[in-house]
Amino acid sequence: DIQMTQSPSSLSASVGDRVTITCQASQDISNYLNWYQQKPGKAPELLIYDASNLETGVPSRFSGSGSGTDFTFTISSLQPEDIATFYCQQYDNVLTFGGGTKVEIK
Amino acid sequence: QVQLVESGGGVVQPGRSLRLSCAASGFSFSSYGMHWVRQAPGKGLEWVAVISYDGSNEYSADSLKGRFTVSRDNSKNTLYLQMNRLRPEDTAVYYCVKGDMTTVWVLDYWGQGTLVTVSS
Repeated sequence: DIQMTQSPSSLSASVGDRVTITCQASQDISNYLNWYQQKPGKAPELLIYDASNLETGVPSRFSGSGSGTDFTFTISSLQPEDIATFYCQQYDNVLTFGGGTKVEIK
Repeated sequence: QVQLVESGGGVVQPGRSLRLSCAASGFSFSSYGMHWVRQAPGKGLEWVAVISYDGSNEYSADSLKGRFTVSRDNSKNTLYLQMNRLRPEDTAVYYCVKGDMTTVWVLDYWGQGTLVTVSS
């Protein structure tokens, strides 16, 4: 099975800050990597697919990059409504999720 | 708009069975692969199973050791998850999830989930 390691597991940042989350795959997954946001008490929502493609309707402050084993998710300017847990997910070999990154406002 | 409404959750004793349902609307259900994903209380997301658009192919996570089976009835726009020999560690919110048209492995719409509690 492919393991997905996200870091950090949690972070606290101020409104307007640039926030970066990384996701590392245990083997090369090309660009078969998606990112999801899960707000408290809600179901996850797709933000980014195929490593860098923004899902329709998702604010442009969210972005993703990377290929192979190392991926990055960025919020260019953190907003109060972005408080959530973010998950990466690979689909090169079936489907596995990273452990999640909880983002809080400082 | 896409709607996925899960039902069938509740409290069940260890070793018993339970069947979850997911009623789909707002899209051509018979054209899309579908998934179940679960989330234990306070934990991360765990993929459970996938089924192809026509039900001809289905696959579940190895960790489930064949206890769970996904199926669908396209005439009823409904997805199912049959869960057998339930264990306390199966306690979780179970989400019904739609796969993208281009690749089923992009999970583009999620239901609100149904809670399954396995406890004596």
